[in-house]
Amino acid sequence: EILMTQSPATLSVSPGERATLSCRASQSVSSNLAWYQQKPGQAPRLLIYGASTRATGIPARFSGSGSGTEFTLTISSLQSEDFAIYYCQQYNNWPLTFGGGTKVEIK
Amino acid sequence: EVQLLESGGGLVQPGGSLRLSCAVSGFTLSTNAMSWVRQAPGKGLEWVSGISGSGGYTYYADSVKGRFTISRDNSKSTLYVQMNSLRVEDTAVYYCAKVSFGVVNPYWYFDLWGRGTLVTVSS
Repeated sequence: EILMTQSPATLSVSPGERATLSCRASQSVSSNLAWYQQKPGQAPRLLIYGASTRATGIPARFSGSGSGTEFTLTISSLQSEDFAIYYCQQYNNWPLTFGGGTKVEIK
Repeated sequence: EVQLLESGGGLVQPGGSLRLSCAVSGFTLSTNAMSWVRQAPGKGLEWVSGISGSGGYTYYADSVKGRFTISRDNSKSTLYVQMNSLRVEDTAVYYCAKVSFGVVNPYWYFDLWGRGTLVTVSS
């Protein structure tokens, strides 16, 4: 099973600032990496797939990068609606696995 | 409107059974692989099970293998998961999720999620 490790667990950021979230895989997942956003009481929403492709309707301030074992989600200028928990997920190998999440909170 | 709607959650005793359903609308179920993903209270996401568009291939997390069975009825546009021998640690919100379509093979990330249904296993 591929272990996905996200860091930090919590990120405190002021509105308008840049947020950088990390996701590391225990072995290579190529570019088969997705990012999701989840707000309290809501289902997750797909943000990024293929490590760097934004899903339909996702604002350009969200960007993904990386391949192999190291991945990054960057939110260029945090808006109030971006404070949430973010999860990465690998789909290169069975079983599919998620990272533990990074909570982005208001500083 | 493209939508997934789960149902069937509730309170069940340890060792009991429950069947969850996911009614889909706005797209053709038979052309899409589907999955169940769960989230224990206050915890992260855990993939549970997946099924190909035809239903010919099924996949399970080790934590539920042998206890859960995923299935689909494309004629009813409905996805199911039969959960047997339930344990306290199966307590979670269960989400139905649509797997991204691929021309040759699906890409096993989730581009559409339902709102979830809560399963509580407790005596």
